[in-house]
Amino acid sequence: GQQLNQSPQSMFIQEGEDVSMNCTSSSIFNTWLWYKQDPGEGPVLLIALYKAGELTSNGRLTAQFGITRKDSFLNISASIPSDVGIYFCAGHPKGSQGNLIFGKGTKLSVKP
Amino acid sequence: EAQVTQNPRYLITVTGKKLTVTCSQNMNHEYMSWYRQDPGLGLRQIYYSMNVEVTDKGDVPEGYKVSRKEKRNFPLILESPSPNQTSLYFCASSYAGTVNEQFFGPGTRLTVL
Repeated sequence: GQQLNQSPQSMFIQEGEDVSMNCTSSSIFNTWLWYKQDPGEGPVLLIALYKAGELTSNGRLTAQFGITRKDSFLNISASIPSDVGIYFCAGHPKGSQGNLIFGKGTKLSVKP
Repeated sequence: EAQVTQNPRYLITVTGKKLTVTCSQNMNHEYMSWYRQDPGLGLRQIYYSMNVEVTDKGDVPEGYKVSRKEKRNFPLILESPSPNQTSLYFCASSYAGTVNEQFFGPGTRLTVL
């Protein structure tokens, strides 16, 4: 099946630093999504991107839908301890409405 | 409170003993979906349903069954569980027009011995 390559796998940063993670695919995706999962809970949607080139912000989070429709990135500015968790990219492949593909996640650790 | 509920939250069972994990949502969502999460593999979609009586396979449907007889419920059935189905399972739902913005349940941790 289709896959999303998410990197990095893990990050260990100092509070206040900016964070960047990205996702790539070998095929075109119609939608890119970024989720965060806290320990013991289900993923929660952070940002949804629907158009190639779209740049969307949600507080300290900014995400972009790549022009080629095969990639996306998520930036977190001025990280804080509560940013700790696993971040997943996800997307709907072209031609699919209900099928949602997830990346393997980026585990973020923040040192106060 | 708008939510997706799953039961049970934890289950330990033995190989071959049929089980059902229930999923229910109170948001009148058309779309529902099941995922499994395994270390290092992220979430993988098992089955999804665009509406009542409409179900489709996701990426890893083998060994699972689903049904969608009512809008609010989407049970996941393991007819003959095997150890490789030991995993953390999530149910999710959304409005059909916003399939992307899925609300996830709290998860069901299943162990098959």
